[in-house]
Amino acid sequence: EPEVTQTPSHQVTQMGQEVILRCVPISNHLYFYWYRQILGQKVEFLVSFYNNEISEKSEIFDDQFSVERPDGSNFTLKIRSTKLEDSAMYFCASSGGLPRAKNIQYFGAGTRLSVL
Amino acid sequence: ESVGLHLPTLSVQEGDNSIINCAYSNSASDYFIWYKQESGKGPQFIIDIRSNMDKRQGQRVTVLLNKTVKHLSLQIAATQPGDSAVYFCAETPISSGSARQLTFGSGTQLTVLP
Repeated sequence: EPEVTQTPSHQVTQMGQEVILRCVPISNHLYFYWYRQILGQKVEFLVSFYNNEISEKSEIFDDQFSVERPDGSNFTLKIRSTKLEDSAMYFCASSGGLPRAKNIQYFGAGTRLSVL
Repeated sequence: ESVGLHLPTLSVQEGDNSIINCAYSNSASDYFIWYKQESGKGPQFIIDIRSNMDKRQGQRVTVLLNKTVKHLSLQIAATQPGDSAVYFCAETPISSGSARQLTFGSGTQLTVLP
């Protein structure tokens, strides 16, 4: 069964460092997303991406964040200068092109980001 | 606007039916999804329902939508130990174009007792 793959599973970084979280969405999907989940809290939307541009972004997704689809398979989230409060589980999701398929988002297993 | 759940935890005996509830406040919500999240994993799609439907059934799961009171529920038949997880409802307005965000509720921890 196709799945969304995220690497690494756990990333430890020092405050102020740049991190890149990587995702390989399901191959025939057209819509891509990043969410985060702080321990014990709700899953929160960060950004959605379609046709090589950002569709929507939340207020969490400030100038420190950026997304890129550098090739036909990868989808990345970059945090330029990490803060302690960026520590969370980051989930990548993707959805297909047909009307119902577009709304069903499939999630990866997540990358746990720990900022020290 | 937010999506919320009635109970943070629910314990059921193995073999019993489970009902997990969710309230939403956004009148523009068109589409609802239930996700299951096991410890250390990402949310896993269970079942979805559009706002023009009242009920949808899957394998051992049924989602009911009451638009009048902005409430939906997830029913799990013959609950099994593998059903133990956190269950989230999520909503989104259906769009014809761009990718739309999901708004998640805070989750209900379902524990299946032997």
